[in-house]
Amino acid sequence: SSVLTQPPSVSVAPGKTARITCGGNDIGSKSVHWYQQRPGQAPVLVVYDDSDRPSGIPERFSGSNSGNTATLTISRVEAGDEADYYCQVWDGSSDHFYVFGPGTKVTVL
Amino acid sequence: QVQLVQSGAEVKKPGASVKVSCKASGYTFASHSLHWVRQAPGQGLEWMGIIYPSTGGTAYAQGLQGRVTMTRDASTSTVYMEVNSLRYEDTAIYYCARESQGGTSYFDKWGPGTLVTVSS
Repeated sequence: SSVLTQPPSVSVAPGKTARITCGGNDIGSKSVHWYQQRPGQAPVLVVYDDSDRPSGIPERFSGSNSGNTATLTISRVEAGDEADYYCQVWDGSSDHFYVFGPGTKVTVL
Repeated sequence: QVQLVQSGAEVKKPGASVKVSCKASGYTFASHSLHWVRQAPGQGLEWMGIIYPSTGGTAYAQGLQGRVTMTRDASTSTVYMEVNSLRYEDTAIYYCARESQGGTSYFDKWGPGTLVTVSS
C-alpha cells in the first residue's frame, strides 16, 4: 500500500522557485494530485494527473512525476502562495483508497 | 456554479453520534462520487469514505468501518456522513469533496468543512 512522504516545510523568498516533493514506492506509475490549503480554508486542487492544472490555477504551478518522486513546482513565488500543500494518489490496495501525503508547509520569507 | 454546502458545527459528548450533511448544487448530482475527508487540529488530511450518488453504494476506510455510515438523498442532492461511538480523537473538520468525473481519483471541489468537537 502507498505511504507518501513530504518534507514538513519549505521556505522560499518571493520571486524564487519552490519545489515540494512527494515520495513513494514507484509513485511514477500512479497519477499524483496536489492540493493547496491556506490557513482556515478548505483544500483547493492545484495540479492533477501529475502535471495538469485546473482552470483558474496560475501557470506558475507545475508538476512532474517519475520513479519514486513526484514534484510540485511553484515559480515566481508570491506571498499568497504561503500554505500547506498535500499530494494525493489512489491506491486500491491501501486501507485508505485515496491516500494523502502528510503535507508541506510553504513559508514565503 | 458548483457548490457544496455543509451543515454547521457540532459539539458532542464521547459515545454519542454526529451526522453531517453536504448539499450539492450546480451540476448533475448522480454524475460524480462524493467523499468525506477529515482533518484533526493541526494535522493532515484523512480520507474517510466514498458514496456514489447514483446508486447509494459506499466504501469506507478500513479503520472507520463499523463506525461510519454515508447515505444520500437524491431528491435534495444531499449526502450525509454519520459517525457513531464518538471518541475524543474524532474531533476534526469534516469536508465533503467531489471527485472529478470518470474515476479520475482527484477532488475538484471541496465543501467549506464542518467542525465536530468531541468533548465531555
